[in-house]
Amino acid sequence: DIQMTQSPSSLSASVGDRVTITCRASRSISTYLNWHQQKSGKAPKFLISAASTLQSGVPSRFRGSGSGTDFTLTISSLQPEDFATYYCQQTYSTSYTFGQGTRLEMK
Amino acid sequence: QVTLRESGPALVRPTQTLTLTCTFSGFSVSSSEIFVTWIRQPPGKTLEWLARVDWDGDTYYSTSLRTRLTISRDTSNNQVVLTMTNMDPADTATYYCARGIVTTNNLDSWGQGTLVTVSS
Repeated sequence: DIQMTQSPSSLSASVGDRVTITCRASRSISTYLNWHQQKSGKAPKFLISAASTLQSGVPSRFRGSGSGTDFTLTISSLQPEDFATYYCQQTYSTSYTFGQGTRLEMK
Repeated sequence: QVTLRESGPALVRPTQTLTLTCTFSGFSVSSSEIFVTWIRQPPGKTLEWLARVDWDGDTYYSTSLRTRLTISRDTSNNQVVLTMTNMDPADTATYYCARGIVTTNNLDSWGQGTLVTVSS
């Protein structure tokens, strides 16, 4: 199976900060990479597909980039509602492996 | 509007078989290019994909859990059922069903999840 590694595992930031989360695949997955946001006790929410395509209703402060094995999720100006855990997920193979998550906490 | 809802027992004894039902609306599992999938999340851990059933009846399973899982669909009742045999405390998790798009493998809608605890 393809392994997905996220960094950092947790991150403290303030409202208005710019933050970047990194996701690395164990082998090339082209742009078959999605990002999900999960708030405490809730189901994941689908944010970004194909490495960089924002889903309908996702604010433009979210930006995804990358291809091959290295990907990033950037939030340009954190808002209170953005504090959550973020997961990358490969869709290159049917195992649909997820990263271990990055918990974004308020400083 | 697409909605999915998981149902099943909250508590299962070790060695028992778990049966979970995903009831959905706003789409049909026999609609072209749609699939329904199950994913679980142990407390405090990441998400793990389990199984998928496509619009045409094709099924796919996690390599590590293949021998314990069965996924099936009931198109007339808009339901997908997952069974997992020989439950173990390590299977304690929140179990989610989600809708996916075959051409992109995107999971665009998720259920709220159901917590299953395995304990004697």
